[in-house]
Amino acid sequence: EAGVTQSPTHLIKTRGQQVTLRCSPISGHTSVYWYQQALGLGLQFLLWYDEGEERNRGNFPPRFSGRQFPNYSSELNVNALELEDSALYLCASSKDDRGSYNEQFFGPGTRLTVL
Amino acid sequence: GEDVEQSLFLSVREGDSSVINCTYTDSSSTYLYWYKQEPGAGLQLLTYIFSNMDMKQDQRLTVLLNKKDKHLSLRIADTQTGDSAIYFCADPSGYSTLTFGKGTMLLVSP
Repeated sequence: EAGVTQSPTHLIKTRGQQVTLRCSPISGHTSVYWYQQALGLGLQFLLWYDEGEERNRGNFPPRFSGRQFPNYSSELNVNALELEDSALYLCASSKDDRGSYNEQFFGPGTRLTVL
Repeated sequence: GEDVEQSLFLSVREGDSSVINCTYTDSSSTYLYWYKQEPGAGLQLLTYIFSNMDMKQDQRLTVLLNKKDKHLSLRIADTQTGDSAIYFCADPSGYSTLTFGKGTMLLVSP
């Protein structure tokens, strides 16, 4: 069974630019989560999508947005990039969000560097 | 809001036991998780514990949960160099999202 895949693996952008990161969940998983892992800040929750809808959002500005497609893959968009957006962006997927046990499976991440 | 705290660094020698500690604030979680992140890789679920358990053993891993003190620990017996990684404690906060600690970097020397 293929795991969660993310593209691209690395990305270099300059301040003010826009970026789109992509995530494909494990087959059969309907929920997709995005996390930001910035140096010194640990992992912070960004966004959660389930069945095409945004279900929850972390404490990030509106220039962080995303969507989930009918095939459950997802995009994370970041507009007006700032230097502090440099981080590893991790996507995770899970099978069923309704139960209390909800293992999230993580992809390898996209390393974004903003210059 | 929800907060999860971990010590940032632990260094041990191969063959020793490692103990990684975590404190959390949300006492309503049904599960608590330990994830492992190897260099250049994403996160891998290592183990989890039900909140109604005090201890869970899984081969070399032992998880201890003290609900009164909101303290979680992960013990790795006979630590190997391949165990060198960052270990994250995670607490489900609210509906489905995970609040992670900042991670404990475990360095195992031969």
